Amino acid sequence: QSALTQPPSASGSPGQSVTISCTGTSSDVGHYDYVSWYQQYPGKAPTLIIYGVNKRPSGVPDRFSGSKSGNTASLTVSGLQAEDEADYYCSSYGGNQDVVFGGGTKLTVL
Amino acid sequence: QVLLQESGPRLVKPSETLSLTCTVSGAYSSETTQYWCWIRQPAGKGLEWIGRLDPSGSTSYLSSLKSRVTISLDTSKNQLSLNLRSVTAADTAIYYCARGRRNGDYFDFWGQGTLATVSS
Repeated sequence: QSALTQPPSASGSPGQSVTISCTGTSSDVGHYDYVSWYQQYPGKAPTLIIYGVNKRPSGVPDRFSGSKSGNTASLTVSGLQAEDEADYYCSSYGGNQDVVFGGGTKLTVL
Repeated sequence: QVLLQESGPRLVKPSETLSLTCTVSGAYSSETTQYWCWIRQPAGKGLEWIGRLDPSGSTSYLSSLKSRVTISLDTSKNQLSLNLRSVTAADTAIYYCARGRRNGDYFDFWGQGTLATVSS
């Protein structure tokens, strides 16, 4: 399995919306609605913010939303806040009981 | 609330075996929609899925590590284990244990991670 492709960086000003893409293949992202997104602060473990393409766990602000089209999934952060500055990783079920991650995107709040 | 806590030697010599333990609490062992896995992250790099252990006892591993890795569970101690044999410097990373959920294959609870360094 090859890693999913994410842009290394993204940025936006407070209050704006930012979208981070996650591109896979027809064998993973394009085949299963099993895309998840994780937020990771420096020195901390990742935390789940989106699963099943567009579902939010309890406690995750509705400013975070997910979508998918073909082989590309997207995470949108609306109403950007300073606390959203972090690394974001996507993942997808890859078939054969395995999971593949994206390379990560560093989100900067300007 | 599910809690996971990794532990194990922080320094391992090249060619030796990295052995880590993850103590799990707050999870029902009978829960069939959960499974356990290990994920690692080299310094300054992205996440890499290592493998999983299903409630049935079946395992799946990253193909590039399959010949060197074993994941097991001691239900009497609620401890998940990772053994990675013949390590090299490329195996130096923060190792996380996490709970995976079926019907989505997402990881909803993570340990805090433990840094394992391979060096002579």
